[in-house]
Amino acid sequence: DAGVTQSPTHLIKTRGQHVTLRCSPISGHKSVSWYQQVLGQGPQFIFQYYEKEERGRGNFPDRFSARQFPNYSSELNVNALLLGDSALYLCASSHFGAGNTIYFGEGSWLTVV
Amino acid sequence: QQQVKQSPQSLIVQKGGIPIINCAYENTAFDYFPWYQQFPGKGPALLIAIRPDVSEKKEGRFTISFNKSAKQFSLHIMDSQPGDSATYFCAARKSSGAGSYQLTFGKGTKLSVIP
Repeated sequence: DAGVTQSPTHLIKTRGQHVTLRCSPISGHKSVSWYQQVLGQGPQFIFQYYEKEERGRGNFPDRFSARQFPNYSSELNVNALLLGDSALYLCASSHFGAGNTIYFGEGSWLTVV
Repeated sequence: QQQVKQSPQSLIVQKGGIPIINCAYENTAFDYFPWYQQFPGKGPALLIAIRPDVSEKKEGRFTISFNKSAKQFSLHIMDSQPGDSATYFCAARKSSGAGSYQLTFGKGTKLSVIP
């Protein structure tokens, strides 16, 4: 079975631009969450979606938004990019319910210049 | 406020040694504690996880010890190998019902296993 897949794997954007990152969860998983990992740090929670509804939001500005589609895939959008948005953006998926294991994709490397 | 504190920041052991990585948490609402292994340029890969009602869990060469009263947990890697050289993250999950949860990560421990 395929794991969590993310695209693109690498991208370079200019300050002020917009970026869309995509994620496909493991088959059968209905929950997707997004994390930002700055070099040398642990991942930081951005959003969590379950059944196409936002269930949690981390301490990120409104420039960050996301959505989950009927097939449970997800998009993370970041507007008005800043240099500080340069990071590895990770998508994770899981089943819902007690004991749900959380699996991460390989991430999308975003560089803002 | 960092809710999960991880130590040490870096660790060097010889092949066959038993590196130990420690984490402490503050929020008693955490209900699941996974460890992830991350190689450079890759996403975190789940190693092993434990629930707070269990004091120890072993999977292969990896063992989690959990002390609920002290709000601490640790990862032991038996018979460490050079291939175990990676960054290890502890995490803690908070679930809020209705399908809501989030992971809080420690800052990571860079492990180097020398031959």
